[in-house]
Amino acid sequence: EAGVVQSPRYKIIEKKQPVAFWCNPISGHNTLYWYLQNLGQGPELLIRYENEEAVDDSQLPKDRFSAERLKGVDSTLKIQPAELGDSAVYLCASSLLPTDTQYFGPGTRLTVL
Amino acid sequence: QKEVEQNSGPLSVPEGAIASLNCTYSDRVSQSFFWYRQYSGKSPELIMSIYSNGDKEDGRFTAQLNKASQYVSLLIRDSQPSDSATYLCAVSTRGGADGLTFGKGTHLIIQP
Repeated sequence: EAGVVQSPRYKIIEKKQPVAFWCNPISGHNTLYWYLQNLGQGPELLIRYENEEAVDDSQLPKDRFSAERLKGVDSTLKIQPAELGDSAVYLCASSLLPTDTQYFGPGTRLTVL
Repeated sequence: QKEVEQNSGPLSVPEGAIASLNCTYSDRVSQSFFWYRQYSGKSPELIMSIYSNGDKEDGRFTAQLNKASQYVSLLIRDSQPSDSATYLCAVSTRGGADGLTFGKGTHLIIQP
């Protein structure tokens, strides 16, 4: 069974530029999560989807971050414009409710210069 | 504000000994508890989940949960150098119906 796929794996951009991250969850998983992980910290939830619906986006900085999950499968997380403080690893995870085991993708390491 | 606390370490343990990792959480209604292992530069990998008070064993790993004390622990028996990693404790409030709240992780070093 293929795991969670994310791309790109690494991204370097200058501040004020836009950037987008893509995630393909494990086949059949109905719930998808985006987390942000800063160096030396645990992952922090940004947004959670159940199928196509964003059921928890309370931690998503909506002034510059947006996300979508079309057709309830793949998801894209966008930052526009990026700031220096956005440098971090962006992790995507998926699960199949009602089980609550989340499986993580390899992450996208973003560096904003 | 949900909080999950872990000692960041590093925790240094001789090869073959038992490594003991601890975690406390603030939200009393938490229902699901997880331990993830994260190697440097890699993403978190699930190693244990526990839902009820008591012990749960899986190979060399034992998770322990005490809801009254809001305490979760992970024991690693016969520690190997390959166990050297950061161990993240994670908590879910509604049994999967929300995201995970993670601690900062404990950096474990197994000394050969």
